[in-house]
Amino acid sequence: DAKTTQPPSMDCAEGRAANLPCNHSTISGNEYVYWYRQIHSQGPQYIIHGLKNNETNEMASLIITEDRKSSTLILPHATLRDTAVYYCIVRPIGTGTASKLTFGTGTRLQVTL
Amino acid sequence: DGGITQSPKYLFRKEGQNVTLSCEQNLNHDAMYWYRQDPGQGLRLIYYSQIVNDFQKGDIAEGYSVSREKKESFPLTVTSAQKNPTAFYLCATQVRDGSTDTQYFGPGTRLTVL
Repeated sequence: DAKTTQPPSMDCAEGRAANLPCNHSTISGNEYVYWYRQIHSQGPQYIIHGLKNNETNEMASLIITEDRKSSTLILPHATLRDTAVYYCIVRPIGTGTASKLTFGTGTRLQVTL
Repeated sequence: DGGITQSPKYLFRKEGQNVTLSCEQNLNHDAMYWYRQDPGQGLRLIYYSQIVNDFQKGDIAEGYSVSREKKESFPLTVTSAQKNPTAFYLCATQVRDGSTDTQYFGPGTRLTVL
């Protein structure tokens, strides 16, 4: 699987948009970009995934550059409950059951008043 | 998360005792997984199961055992043979989503061996 690079930490004021970048310059054409987050002492939470088009759901938006070498997760109106470690990973199409998830170090997002 | 329950949330056991961690899901997902997470570290795969009555070892299966008698349930037993069992244990399910597979996690069980 391609490796991802994320900043170790970011701050965001409550109510503002949080933009979390991820670099995946070695991504291949058959790999999806996935985002998860993990709030302290809880299980990881799936957020969103995409292949090449931008995606939006009730939690966030995912913007993938045209060359697919980087992406940005956008939390449009961050709240204190969004304070967590955010993980960007890439996974091949048709992974199958045998594929494990591998998290890197992620970005620790701190949302402040 | 959303249909995956793990119990208990916290578990304390004496060294040398076997302990079983529960994982139940009502998502009707075929595949289930057990991961271990240690402080400041990523996930490590213990076991996974694609269908009922079938399971496969992951990267760190030694000292652990599982069963998959029902689609909804995938319990993990931490045996006394596991050298360092204190950790955060995560159960996950997986579902096909278009051309990719998405994993969803339970809330986790924190096991402390005294």
